[in-house]
Amino acid sequence: DGGITQSPKYLFRKEGQNVTLSCEQNLNHDAMYWYRQDPGQGLRLIYYSQIVNDFQKGDIAEGYSVSREKKESFPLTVTSAQKNPTAFYLCASSMAEYSNQPQHFGDGTRLSIL
Amino acid sequence: QQQVKQSPQSLIVQKGGISIINCAYENTAFDYFPWYQQFPGKGPALLIAIRPDVSEKKEGRFTISFNKSAKQFSLHIMDSQPGDSATYFCAARSAGGTSYGKLTFGQGTILTVHP
Repeated sequence: DGGITQSPKYLFRKEGQNVTLSCEQNLNHDAMYWYRQDPGQGLRLIYYSQIVNDFQKGDIAEGYSVSREKKESFPLTVTSAQKNPTAFYLCASSMAEYSNQPQHFGDGTRLSIL
Repeated sequence: QQQVKQSPQSLIVQKGGISIINCAYENTAFDYFPWYQQFPGKGPALLIAIRPDVSEKKEGRFTISFNKSAKQFSLHIMDSQPGDSATYFCAARSAGGTSYGKLTFGQGTILTVHP
């Protein structure tokens, strides 16, 4: 089945530690996105990428970094500079950013602080 | 910053009733308005979507009503069922400028349908 796979499902971060969240899609989608979800705040865009080796900052990029070396993969690193990383992180993809195709979401990674 | 405001924050409905969730936006540069449904521990899934040149779209028990002049759109769930209990998000897609194609989400509505 085609879809978006996020791993791990749960992740714990220690003080001063960088952690990387994985996102893989087999939908042959061009665009990929990372969102952060906090209770009562909806989804906020962290980074997005339209093509391989290119990505743009979203609304809350500070303390995060991404790479897009392959079309299928868009990993997110939560750096130690992100002081409040506890949240539910969602990865999404779509055919092309400017089309009417919807964004498809993975089932998320819940990150907590130890 | 472009905003989409969603209300109510939570909603309790009896089985068979109508659930109504409202969204309002401030910027006219949106060209696509999807609604997503999210169950606990899962990612959001597209439920229904509408373009601003259409005033209403219906798919089964779900209807979007769109008022372009008022910059408002709403989701109606007819004959609500306990299985509809979930969090619902409205969203709006940017049509131009540096944010072209970006989705801006509302804050979400937690719907509970009692049997």
